[in-house]
Amino acid sequence: NAGVTQTPKFQVLKTGQSMTLQCAQDMNHNSMYWYRQDPGMGLRLIYYSASEGTTDKGEVPNGYNVSRLNKREFSLRLESAAPSQTSVYFCASSIWATNEKLFFGSGTQLSVL
Amino acid sequence: AQSVTQPDIHITVSEGASLELRCNYSYGATPYLFWYVQSPGQGLQLLLKYFSGDTLVQGIKGFEAEFKRSQSSFNLRKPSVHWSDAAEYFCAVGAGEYGNKLVFGAGTILRVKS
Repeated sequence: NAGVTQTPKFQVLKTGQSMTLQCAQDMNHNSMYWYRQDPGMGLRLIYYSASEGTTDKGEVPNGYNVSRLNKREFSLRLESAAPSQTSVYFCASSIWATNEKLFFGSGTQLSVL
Repeated sequence: AQSVTQPDIHITVSEGASLELRCNYSYGATPYLFWYVQSPGQGLQLLLKYFSGDTLVQGIKGFEAEFKRSQSSFNLRKPSVHWSDAAEYFCAVGAGEYGNKLVFGAGTILRVKS
């Protein structure tokens, strides 16, 4: 009953460092998403993958790249971290990309110093 | 562009009292609307959703929401709040071709006093 698993749970980076956030789901879902959550702003969509082999930009894609490695895994990469990317990152998945219920991971808290 | 406004940042209610959390949206067509709840340190969980049909939608944990097109609102209600309902609540509208690119409001933090 793992659902959506994100790693790591916490990370501290220095400005300019790179890192990859990992996300995996075991529900055989087709669509996966990356959101960031900032105080007072709710969640904002960074990138999503409607199905394996496709990715598309969301509301705030600048400074990020994604890879849909296979149907289970969807990673988010910060090539050169900036303090503005300090946030809590959530991965989510849904059966299809058609108004379906999103299942969320428990989040990654990232601080960029 | 789609947007969601949750006018109340914090709300405090007594246990057993009724609850209404407000949500207003901006969207050109018939909206797909959602309410999610987030407990501390956790991801979001879907409470309920509205796509079409009956404007009063029932969800989990005793929550309901009413879609009012004339007021562009989708307020969340619960007749009797329990201490375990303390959490942050997010209203969202589905954007994009398939309505799957959710646009979230800023959230309302609910505190329950005993």
